[in-house]
Amino acid sequence: DAKTTQPPSMDCAEGRAANLPCNHSTISGNEYVYWYRQIHSQGPQYIIHGLKNNETNEMASLIITEDRKSSTLILPHATLRDTAVYYCIVRVALNNAGNMLTFGGGTRLMVKP
Amino acid sequence: KAGVTQTPRYLIKTRGQQVTLSCSPISGHRSVSWYQQTPGQGLQFLFEYFSETQRNKGNFPGRFSGRQFSNSRSEMNVSTLELGDSALYLCASSPGGTASPTGELFFGEGSRLTVL
Repeated sequence: DAKTTQPPSMDCAEGRAANLPCNHSTISGNEYVYWYRQIHSQGPQYIIHGLKNNETNEMASLIITEDRKSSTLILPHATLRDTAVYYCIVRVALNNAGNMLTFGGGTRLMVKP
Repeated sequence: KAGVTQTPRYLIKTRGQQVTLSCSPISGHRSVSWYQQTPGQGLQFLFEYFSETQRNKGNFPGRFSGRQFSNSRSEMNVSTLELGDSALYLCASSPGGTASPTGELFFGEGSRLTVL
C-alpha cells in the first residue's frame, strides 16, 4: 500500500471550513484514498473515499488532484465535535485484498470556538 | 442496525496472565479484523478473519491469536501478558465479500486492557 504524509496537527475556527491535506505521491492506479477519523477514546469512523473523481457526502468532501498524488479532505463547517485525529489511507479496494488498513500518524484537528 | 460490539470494555490483568476479548460484528458482516492502539505505536493491524479463516496477519508475536465462529463473532487471545500489551484493542467488521469491493470498515468502541 502507498504511504501517506499528513501534517501532525491543525487548528480550525468553529464554523469555518477545515481543509486537511494528504500527500500520496506513490499511489498506484488501482489504489483508493480513504479517510477515517478517531474521536478521543472511540473507534475510528469512516468518512469518505475516492479513486479519481472528487467525492462528497453528508460528512465531507474529498478533492483528489488530477495526478492523484495528493488529496484534501474538506469539512465545510467545522464544529467542536469534529475535533479528532484524521487519517488518510491509501490502498486497493477493501475486500478485494482483505480489510487491513495501515494507519499513519494522522492529523490532529483542533476546532476552536 | 446494531453496531460492532466489543466486550469487555475495560479490564485489568497482571503480567503472565492471558486474556480473551470478544467482538460481535454487524449482522451480515463476514469479515472481522483486529487492531491494537498504543500511544507509542499508534493503530496497528493484528489480523483479519473472513468466513472463519484468517485472511491477513500483522507483525505480532504468536502470543496474539484469534478465531472466528460460524456466526462471524470473533475472539482474540493474548497469552503470557506483558506490560507492553496494555492498549486499546479495536475490532472492525465489513461485509467482506467481493460484492462490495470498496466497502468501509465499521469499528467498535474497543476493549481497553491494562497490564500491571
